Amino acid sequence: AQRVTQPEKLLSVFKGAPVELKCNYSYSGSPELFWYVQYSRQRLQLLLRHISRESIKGFTADLNKGETSFHLKKPFAQEEDSAMYYCALSAQKLVFGQGTRLTINP
Amino acid sequence: KAGVTQTPRYLIKTRGQQVTLSCSPISGHRSVSWYQQTPGQGLQFLFEYFSETQRNKGNFPGRFSGRQFSNSRSEMNVSTLELGDSALYLCASSFIPGSNTEAFFGQGTRLTVV
Repeated sequence: AQRVTQPEKLLSVFKGAPVELKCNYSYSGSPELFWYVQYSRQRLQLLLRHISRESIKGFTADLNKGETSFHLKKPFAQEEDSAMYYCALSAQKLVFGQGTRLTINP
Repeated sequence: KAGVTQTPRYLIKTRGQQVTLSCSPISGHRSVSWYQQTPGQGLQFLFEYFSETQRNKGNFPGRFSGRQFSNSRSEMNVSTLELGDSALYLCASSFIPGSNTEAFFGQGTRLTVV
């Protein structure tokens, strides 16, 4: 069965500090992984996908098949990064983790 | 182009009633998926439609059903509402169903069952 685990429901860091949102997955096939973000009062939107290997808004995520992880990282957090972040696995359907609420303190 | 539109935005229903939610995908998108979002369970997949056919279904009881029309608009129906059905229902559209296709989400319909 496909499963996505985000172990931290809440994460709070200071502005300028590094951020890492953890995501682990369980899937027997070749995974396709995404990070979605939901800013306050906005709709859920795609942040990045592993296949693109891109950096969006300073965020990067590397797929580690050995550790079955897809952690989201940013070296220097900004206040506008405060949002709800969801890791998702695509396996005929999108399976989401429970989400991590990231708060950046000034 | 216009985003995914869900109507209505808010609904209050009584236990035992039924409800129909509507989703209009982005123009040209033929795949529509539905999710239930609750604080306790997070985002849970309900079902996906493509070209008027249900492609995938999540682990929800038969009270939850859906359909897709020839213009790709989709509706979901919940019958015999229970208090636990109170949630934000999200619709997402994509150009085609596929593992690497970005899903675009609507703002959701917040259903409250009293």
